Formats: sequence, C-alpha cells, structure tokens
Amino acid sequence: GAVVSQHPSWVICKSGTSVKIECRSLDFQATTMFWYRQFPKQSLMLMATSNEGSKATYEQGVEKDKFLINHASLTLSTLTVTSAHPEDSSFYICSASAGISYNEQFFGPGTRLTVL
Amino acid sequence: GQSLEQPSEVTAVEGAIVQINCTYQTSGFYGLSWYQQHDGGAPTFLSYNALDGLEETGRFSSFLSRSDSYGYLLLQELQMKDSASYFCAVPRSGGYNKLIFGAGTRLAVHP
Repeated sequence: GAVVSQHPSWVICKSGTSVKIECRSLDFQATTMFWYRQFPKQSLMLMATSNEGSKATYEQGVEKDKFLINHASLTLSTLTVTSAHPEDSSFYICSASAGISYNEQFFGPGTRLTVL
Repeated sequence: GQSLEQPSEVTAVEGAIVQINCTYQTSGFYGLSWYQQHDGGAPTFLSYNALDGLEETGRFSSFLSRSDSYGYLLLQELQMKDSASYFCAVPRSGGYNKLIFGAGTRLAVHP
C-alpha cells in the first residue's frame, strides 16, 4: 500500500516556459502533500506544504508566484514551475502523508526537470 | 533552529556491518526517522524511533538516545544493493508532519 506517483518522470523545457508536475496518491487519501527540491548529491529541501482545498504554505525563500501549487483533491497535488530558468533545473519530489503515522511520508518517484 | 548532522560518506564491504550516526538539535522532539534513497530514485521510509532504544527490522536496526540527541542506523550483512544515500529526519517544531532532513550519508558497498 501507500503508493505515490509523479508525472512526468522527466521533462526538458526551454527557458521561459512553464512546466506542470502532478503528484497522486494512488491507494490512500493524502491529508497533506509536500513538495521537495533536491540538487545532485544534496539533501531534500522542503519547498511547500499543501492541504486539500487550502492554499499552500511555502518555505522561506521559495517564491510562491514562481512555484504554483494546487491541491484539488485528497489524491492530487500539482506543482507548476512558471517561467522556468536553467537554475530551476533540479529533481522535484512530492510526498504524501495520510496522517496516520506522524513521521512517515510516502514519496513519489520524482521528476527530473532540465531547463535549457 | 533545528539541524541534523551525519557523515557525508561511508564505505564498507559486502557482508560487513556499518553504522551511520545522526546527531540532532531541535526544540520539541517527536522522533527520528531514517530514509533510504538510491541514485535517481525516491526516498523510502526505513524506520522511526520515538523512544530510546533499538528498533530492529530485518537487517536494518535504528537506535535512539534522546538524552544525547543522537541516533544511528545499523545495517548488517551488507549487500551491494544497500549502496545508497541514507537520511535521518526529524519533524519540524510546530510544523505538523513537516520533516527536516539531514544532509545524507552516501554508503558505498564494495565486493
């Protein structure tokens, strides 16, 4: 159980375009979803937290107008990188919490974004 | 603030035992978790300790000492597939389910 999917798994785009990444919890309802960014050989950095039906909470230093998060249902959250630039190239990972285990999050497989 | 420290790299041979340490600084402690991540893959949950002592799950064990703000992940009978990055994590104070991750320890298992 507790499977989280992400789509796409990788994407290459031109500078200035927008990219949408989907995160779905397949077999459970996620009360909370998290979006992380990870640069090569570095740790996961939390970008934002989203709860279904409410506005996302962004971490300090993360531009909310650049990284748009929508959590339309208990099984789907989307991250849109607007006007992407090469410095946005990274590995974006979502995770979902069912609220059952306080410390356990279920991670999606990640999306590798490359901005040319 | 909150922070976690763990070694950046560990090397071991197949069949050996390796211990990955994690020290943390946090106000309000709600447990220490461990995650495994293979290159290019998603982190997967390994273990969680809320109380002092050793938790064993197959070849992997995790230990916690709250008085020392210290924990470790113990990997026994190492296999090549255990080569990965291992992250310790604690919930953020007042952050409800938000996790703070350590920088990660890259484990390389050699034949």
